[in-house]
Amino acid sequence: KQEVTQIPAALSVPEGENLVLNCSFTDSAIYNLQWFRQDPGKGLTSLLLIQSSQREQTSGRLNASLDKSSGRSTLYIAASQPGDSATYLCAVSNTGNQFYFGTGTSLTVIP
Amino acid sequence: KAGVTQTPRYLIKTRGQQVTLSCSPISGHRSVSWYQQTPGQGLQFLFEYFSETQRNKGNFPGRFSGRQFSNSRSEMNVSTLELGDSALYLCASSIQDRTFGEQYFGPGTRLTVT
Repeated sequence: KQEVTQIPAALSVPEGENLVLNCSFTDSAIYNLQWFRQDPGKGLTSLLLIQSSQREQTSGRLNASLDKSSGRSTLYIAASQPGDSATYLCAVSNTGNQFYFGTGTSLTVIP
Repeated sequence: KAGVTQTPRYLIKTRGQQVTLSCSPISGHRSVSWYQQTPGQGLQFLFEYFSETQRNKGNFPGRFSGRQFSNSRSEMNVSTLELGDSALYLCASSIQDRTFGEQYFGPGTRLTVT
């Protein structure tokens, strides 16, 4: 069974810092990996989707990379802002038509 | 284009009752997945429907069931509610014919069982 781990569980940074969130998975036979953010009590907002054939995706201040062979993905956030404060989740899909989620990284950006 | 909608947003039930949650996917999306989110277990996959057929099911007891209608709207039913069923229930839709297409989530239904 696929297991997804996110480190760190919580992160607090001052505004303006660049930061990296980590996601690792045990089964490298994935179809894609998706990063989400979740605000307290809310649903998930899709940030970036990386297909298994891709190495990275970028959207604005966000950049996600994927290394299937090592079972790792990173989400890079440039010039962090207080509005980036949320829980960030990564999810991978493989055979079986379902996503497996990590437990998330809770990010706080201090003004 | 409207996003994924879920109704109701909040629900309070007592143990032993049953509950039905509804999810309307983004127009044109035919795949709908359901997830349960709790502080202790995180996000766990319940099941996925495509074109009215359940294609995959997670590791949940038979009290959890679902269905999908011809317009792709989906319902999830939980019978004989237990305290441990209190959770945020999220549904996600995808335009592709596989759930490993990009997933778009609704706001969730917060279920409290007393």
